[in-house]
Amino acid sequence: GAGVSQSPRYKVAKRGQDVALRCDPISGHVSLFWYQQALGQGPEFLTYFQNEAQLDKSGLPSDRFFAERPEGSVSTLKIQRTQQEDSAVYLCASSFAGYEQYFGPGTRLTVT
Amino acid sequence: GENVEQHPSTLSVQEGDSAVIKCTYSDSASNYFPWYKQELGKRPQLIIDIRSNVGEKKDQRIAVTLNKTAKHFSLHITETQPEDSAVYFCAASQGGGGADGLTFGKGTHLIIQP
Repeated sequence: GAGVSQSPRYKVAKRGQDVALRCDPISGHVSLFWYQQALGQGPEFLTYFQNEAQLDKSGLPSDRFFAERPEGSVSTLKIQRTQQEDSAVYLCASSFAGYEQYFGPGTRLTVT
Repeated sequence: GENVEQHPSTLSVQEGDSAVIKCTYSDSASNYFPWYKQELGKRPQLIIDIRSNVGEKKDQRIAVTLNKTAKHFSLHITETQPEDSAVYFCAASQGGGGADGLTFGKGTHLIIQP
């Protein structure tokens, strides 16, 4: 079946612009996670949804970062007033029962 | 919160030899330990995982061991092949109904020398 998909795959934003990154999880997966991966580093947890409920947002680096999953399926990660340190790959993962997490291809965000 | 340490950062082995990557974790509440393989520019791919109720799991050339007392777990790859070259990440979390996000190690760049 179809895996996790993300769009856009690449995004270039000028400093100060707002961006929205989309994640389509595997159908039927209850849990959805967002991670940020800087170049040469491991992914770092940002936030977690179970269905439409955001159960953990402890990893969001600032109040400029906001995530939603209004119908318990597709999720959007929004970054307001982007800054250069926001440049990274943003990965989405989904899970059926809270164990195995399957990752999407990521969105590479470059802030100029 | 959880902290995961991973060693070595780079590992070079001859084709056909074995490779071992080691990780330690800090939070005794963690009960799920997956390993991911990531090729350059690609998504992390789950290759094997282990839950805290078992000590070892094997899948063909790949095995993972877990020592809960010492809070460490290891990835073993036997009969290495060129396609095993990649960055490998260990991770830890509380899985299942009380799931939380994965905490990753910094990664091991595995190089298979022909």
